[in-house]
Amino acid sequence: KAGVTQTPRYLIKTRGQQVTLSCSPISGHRSVSWYQQTPGQGLQFLFEYFSETQRNKGNFPGRFSGRQFSNSRSEMNVSTLELGDSALYLCASQPLLGLGSTDTQYFGPGTRLTVL
Amino acid sequence: DAKTTQPPSMDCAEGRAANLPCNHSTISGNEYVYWYRQIHSQGPQYIIHGLKNNETNEMASLIITEDRKSSTLILPHATLRDTAVYYCIVSAYSGGGADGLTFGKGTHLIIQP
Repeated sequence: KAGVTQTPRYLIKTRGQQVTLSCSPISGHRSVSWYQQTPGQGLQFLFEYFSETQRNKGNFPGRFSGRQFSNSRSEMNVSTLELGDSALYLCASQPLLGLGSTDTQYFGPGTRLTVL
Repeated sequence: DAKTTQPPSMDCAEGRAANLPCNHSTISGNEYVYWYRQIHSQGPQYIIHGLKNNETNEMASLIITEDRKSSTLILPHATLRDTAVYYCIVSAYSGGGADGLTFGKGTHLIIQP
């Protein structure tokens, strides 16, 4: 079974631009979560999508948004990029078999975003 | 989610067992202990999780104390490829619930040849 894939793997943008990152979960997985990883703040939760609905959201400004499609693929968008948005953006998927399920998350390789 | 405390770094000789401790003294009764690791510049990789019983899989063993306030991840025969940052996470939900998984700073395990 193919793992979580993220595209692109590397991206360079300039301040003020916007960017869209894509995540394809493992086949059959219905939940997709996004994390930002920086050297200073470590791994921080952005948001989680399940059945095309945002279920949970971390403490990030409104410039960070996302969506999930009917095939569970997800995109995240960052508008008006700032230098501090330079980070590794990670996507994780899990089946979510039911309430109380302890199925685990599987992470993709990440997209390395550099803002100049 | 309860907070965890891990040593910032550890060394282990190749071929020996690596024992990584984690303190989670404020763990609630419905919270699991999850372990992930992250090899440099890759996405985190799930290792193992448990509620109160010891668990073992093909990668590692997880020993949870009877009072559940601490746990130890054991890599039985460490190899150079086990060099990574290891995260101990406590959560009632595998996805971390409303705030996602809280990764903390983890333990940087360095396997020495």
